[in-house]
Amino acid sequence: QKEVEQNSGPLSVPEGAIASLNCTYSDRGSQSFFWYRQYSGKSPELIMSIYSNGDKEDGRFTAQLNKASQYVSLLIRDSQPSDSATYLCAVTVTGTASKLTFGTGTRLQVTL
Amino acid sequence: GAVVSQHPSRVICKSGTSVKIECRSLDFQATTMFWYRQFPKKSLMLMATSNEGSKATYEQGVEKDKFLINHASLTLSTLTVTSAHPEDSSFYICSAGGGDYNEQFFGPGTRLTVL
Repeated sequence: QKEVEQNSGPLSVPEGAIASLNCTYSDRGSQSFFWYRQYSGKSPELIMSIYSNGDKEDGRFTAQLNKASQYVSLLIRDSQPSDSATYLCAVTVTGTASKLTFGTGTRLQVTL
Repeated sequence: GAVVSQHPSRVICKSGTSVKIECRSLDFQATTMFWYRQFPKKSLMLMATSNEGSKATYEQGVEKDKFLINHASLTLSTLTVTSAHPEDSSFYICSAGGGDYNEQFFGPGTRLTVL
C-alpha cells in the first residue's frame, strides 16, 4: 500500500507568519505532486503542483520537492485568516493515469 | 484550472431509493474521472475510477452493484447510489483527471442524506 503521510495538526500560526506544511510519500515512482486546499464542508481545490526537484513559487505559495528524500512541502508566506483550511498532499500512483494517493491532510489555523 | 460541476449539490432521500449524481467537466475532455466519498472530519476515500467508454474500476471494499458508475462521454460521468441506506449518507465528490501533468480537478461535491 503506497502511502502519503502528513501531520494532522492543527498547525497554528499567527497572521503574517510563514506556515510550513510537510508531506512524505512512499511510492518512489511518483512523478507529479500536488497540494490541495479544502475548506470545511467544501471540496478540495488544487493550489500547487510540482514535478521537478527544487522549489516552485506561485504568489504566496512555494512548493518544495525532494525526490531522493521522498519529501514535499508547502510554504505559505504572509499567512492570512482565509488560509485556515485543511491542506491535502497528493502524489500520482505509478503506472496509472491521473490516479492520486492523498494524505489525510494538515489542518492549518491562522490566528489574528 | 479546469471547471468541474456536480449536480445536485445536496439531496435528501428516503431509505431504499436510488440517487443519481452527475459530474461534468465543463472546459476540457476528461478521459478519466474519479469518485470519492468523504465522511465528516475524515479523509477522502477513492471509490472508483471511471474511464470513458469502459467499465469503472472500483476500489477494494466498494460494492460495484450498489454504486453504479457510467462514463458515457468525455465530459459526463454519473454515480448512482442504489437502494440507499442511512449509512450511505456522506459527501460525494467527483474529479476529472488528465491535465498536462495528470492533475485532478474536483467538482463542488454532493451532500447525500438518507433518512
